[in-house]
Amino acid sequence: AQSVTQLDSHVSVSEGTPVLLRCNYSSSYSPSLFWYVQHPNKGLQLLLKYTSAATLVKGINGFEAEFKKSETSFHLTKPSAHMSDAAEYFCVVSVNTGNQFYFGTGTSLTVIP
Amino acid sequence: KAGVTQTPRYLIKTRGQQVTLSCSPISGHRSVSWYQQTPGQGLQFLFEYFSETQRNKGNFPGRFSGRQFSNSRSEMNVSTLELGDSALYLCASRVEAIANTEAFFGQGTRLTVV
Repeated sequence: AQSVTQLDSHVSVSEGTPVLLRCNYSSSYSPSLFWYVQHPNKGLQLLLKYTSAATLVKGINGFEAEFKKSETSFHLTKPSAHMSDAAEYFCVVSVNTGNQFYFGTGTSLTVIP
Repeated sequence: KAGVTQTPRYLIKTRGQQVTLSCSPISGHRSVSWYQQTPGQGLQFLFEYFSETQRNKGNFPGRFSGRQFSNSRSEMNVSTLELGDSALYLCASRVEAIANTEAFFGQGTRLTVV
């Protein structure tokens, strides 16, 4: 079975400081992993994806994530938070059996000016 | 290239009624998935269609159904609406229905059942 655990429901950072959003996954197969962002009253936008190529994945808006198989983690980071980063972030796992997306419960990021 | 379009954006329905939501995927995408998003349950998978065939279904009652047309547009129907069906319904399209292809989401339809 596949599942995703986002370890923090809320994260608060000051503008200009690093962002770390934590995600652990459980999968019986080699997973594909994604991070999506959702701004209020908007749909989900893809930030980045891991599909068994490079373990360090760079995404849009300065975000990146590292796939660590030994730790079953896929944490999202950004060196310097911007006010526009305030949103809900979802970690997602997908595998080749079924192909559906399994979403984490989301992490709400607040950026303090 | 146009994104995923969902219509309508907002709906208010009465308990017991039925509702149909529409999703137009990105041109060339053959896979359409539907998700229900609520504050309590988060994002839950409803079903996925690929080339007019339902490929996968989540754990929802039979009141929730869908279909896909030959042009890849998809509709989702909920019959006998309940208060608990109030949610944001998101549609996502993918080029192919395989695990490593990213999904592109529409802005959703906000359904309120009163």
